[in-house]
Amino acid sequence: NAGVTQTPKFQVLKTGQSMTLQCAQDMNHEYMSWYRQDPGMGLRLIHYSVGAGITDQGEVPNGYNVSRSTTEDFPLRLLSAAPSQTSVYFCASSSDRGRRGNTIYFGEGSWLTVV
Amino acid sequence: RKEVEQDPGPFNVPEGATVAFNCTYSNSASQSFFWYRQDCRKEPKLLMSVYSSGNEDGRFTAQLNRASQYISLLIRDSKLSDSATYLCVVTPYTNAGKSTFGDGTTLTVKP
Repeated sequence: NAGVTQTPKFQVLKTGQSMTLQCAQDMNHEYMSWYRQDPGMGLRLIHYSVGAGITDQGEVPNGYNVSRSTTEDFPLRLLSAAPSQTSVYFCASSSDRGRRGNTIYFGEGSWLTVV
Repeated sequence: RKEVEQDPGPFNVPEGATVAFNCTYSNSASQSFFWYRQDCRKEPKLLMSVYSSGNEDGRFTAQLNRASQYISLLIRDSKLSDSATYLCVVTPYTNAGKSTFGDGTTLTVKP
């Protein structure tokens, strides 16, 4: 059972570099989201999508782009990495449908360090 | 003010203790409520949903008070394996992708 798969698990970037965190889900969920979690804090929403072709900003969108060309994939792009973007990133998917509607399923996280 | 606020903790309790966590939310719009558990360096996982009538799952009891905009989680007979961070989550009915998380309350259960 793959669920939500995100890669890479660990990445070190230099300031100013760009990169893409990949996320895929195989549960046919309509909603996908990206969160960041800083030490000792909860998850903060970066961007989310309610379906293919539709994305919107969350609480902390600056410095990040997303796209949703398919139901399955929701990559997160860091445009020009900054040390303030050092964090753990979680991709998530969910659905309003079914017995476990609104349950959020997370990927295992991506640990990003910007030096 | 944050949309979702939790007891800051940490809570350090002996095995067998009963411990309660509280959470308040500021948006009174129609929403669903959940408790998630997060182990160290792991992703959050659903612990239980929270219903207005209160609900129980084994040693865990969740309560929701919509009038006071307050959610609680009670853990009875704490086990060492309950040590984790507990996250309060508020999800809009019509947009599960836009959930708001509390900062979490860390529980350590000691022998």
